[in-house]
Amino acid sequence: DQQVKQNSPSLSVQEGRISILNCDYTNSMFDYFLWYKKYPAEGPTFLISISSIKDKNEDGRFTVFLNKSAKHLSLHIVPSQPGDSAVYFCAASGNSGGSNYKLTFGKGTLLTVNP
Amino acid sequence: DTAVSQTPKYLVTQMGNDKSIKCEQNLGHDTMYWYKQDSKKFLKIMFSYNNKELIINETVPNRFSPKSPDKAHLNLHINSLELGDSAVYFCASSQFPSGYNEQFFGPGTRLTVL
Repeated sequence: DQQVKQNSPSLSVQEGRISILNCDYTNSMFDYFLWYKKYPAEGPTFLISISSIKDKNEDGRFTVFLNKSAKHLSLHIVPSQPGDSAVYFCAASGNSGGSNYKLTFGKGTLLTVNP
Repeated sequence: DTAVSQTPKYLVTQMGNDKSIKCEQNLGHDTMYWYKQDSKKFLKIMFSYNNKELIINETVPNRFSPKSPDKAHLNLHINSLELGDSAVYFCASSQFPSGYNEQFFGPGTRLTVL
């Protein structure tokens, strides 16, 4: 039961252009969303988050957009840099099943930024 | 200084063996987690401890037993290893027992069961 879906396993972008990574969710109890970045042989690191009371959150080159009605969020990276090449995980949290303790992750999208 | 560390980084073992993975965090966090990333790449929560108390126990075989001797440590012991246990196991910690705060992950332990 995939409650958080990242339907694009990979994305390739030219340096300097915009990268857009997408995430869909099915559980309407989710109300907090996070993006993590993961380099090979390392653990995921937190990138940016958004609460369901907002529709946009920006941090430098990274912006997350949330469309609650569509149960969809996206991460925009502008401009993309080769060092952004990594796997990006979308994660969600909420009072699901009586617990808001845990994060539910998507499968990740491998972003490759070409110089 | 590594915030969340795990040992060993790689673990290769035979079916039926018992093994442990250790995790330590030096962030002063109250909550620690174990995740499993299987071959399909999903990161799935297995356990969570808050102040040494178990708060999340997902549907995990009871061959897996977490142990938290103190707030800074959460070890994972696996009995009678099976082929399907092969995966990367990540330890993580957060300040509060809530999905509404950032979790800090260790580098992972790649377990291969032969």
